[in-house]
Amino acid sequence: DAGVIQSPRHEVTEMGQEVTLRCKPISGHNSLFWYRQTMMRGLELLIYFNNNVPIDDSGMPEDRFSAKMPNASFSTLKIQPSEPRDSAVYFCASSPDVRGTQFFGPGTRLTVL
Amino acid sequence: KNEVEQSPQNLTAQEGEFITINCSYSVGISALHWLQQHPGGGIVSLFMLSSGKKKHGRLIATINIQEKHSSLHITASHPRDSAVYICARNTGNQFYFGTGTSLTVIP
Repeated sequence: DAGVIQSPRHEVTEMGQEVTLRCKPISGHNSLFWYRQTMMRGLELLIYFNNNVPIDDSGMPEDRFSAKMPNASFSTLKIQPSEPRDSAVYFCASSPDVRGTQFFGPGTRLTVL
Repeated sequence: KNEVEQSPQNLTAQEGEFITINCSYSVGISALHWLQQHPGGGIVSLFMLSSGKKKHGRLIATINIQEKHSSLHITASHPRDSAVYICARNTGNQFYFGTGTSLTVIP
């Protein structure tokens, strides 16, 4: 298995632009997690899905952030409009179930100028 | 409010030393996770435990539910163990992360 796949690996955009981050979980995993990591705040859980349904999105910082999981093999995290303070590394992880061991993707490094 | 406290924040050890990283939390948990983040940024899940002790190679994780405390031990440390180790607690639908312990093992 290729593991969790994220794209793009790096994204540089200008303030105000829409950004879409993509994640393909490990096949057969039922849970998918989106995290954000910054120097100031460390690792934070943004939202997670179980069986394609959002379970907890209390970590989503504001309405500019949205996440979808249209099917078991694909999820997106969208920021619209983006702001410089959104610059961070965004990780996607999947696990067989919500409380199982999580497997992390390589992350997307987002820079908003 | 960070509900997961790790210590130490930074740790430097000589190759071969026994290393302990501590994690304390304030409320009951469903599970506690130990993650390893390499200098290149990749994150690997090391352990997920809710009681007792788990061992994988030179790594051992223990948890004391009553004391709300977990430890990660590394025996015979090696320079390739140099990384940031992050503790995270899972309670219901919530996940909270410690700020990490940066470990450097010197040859």
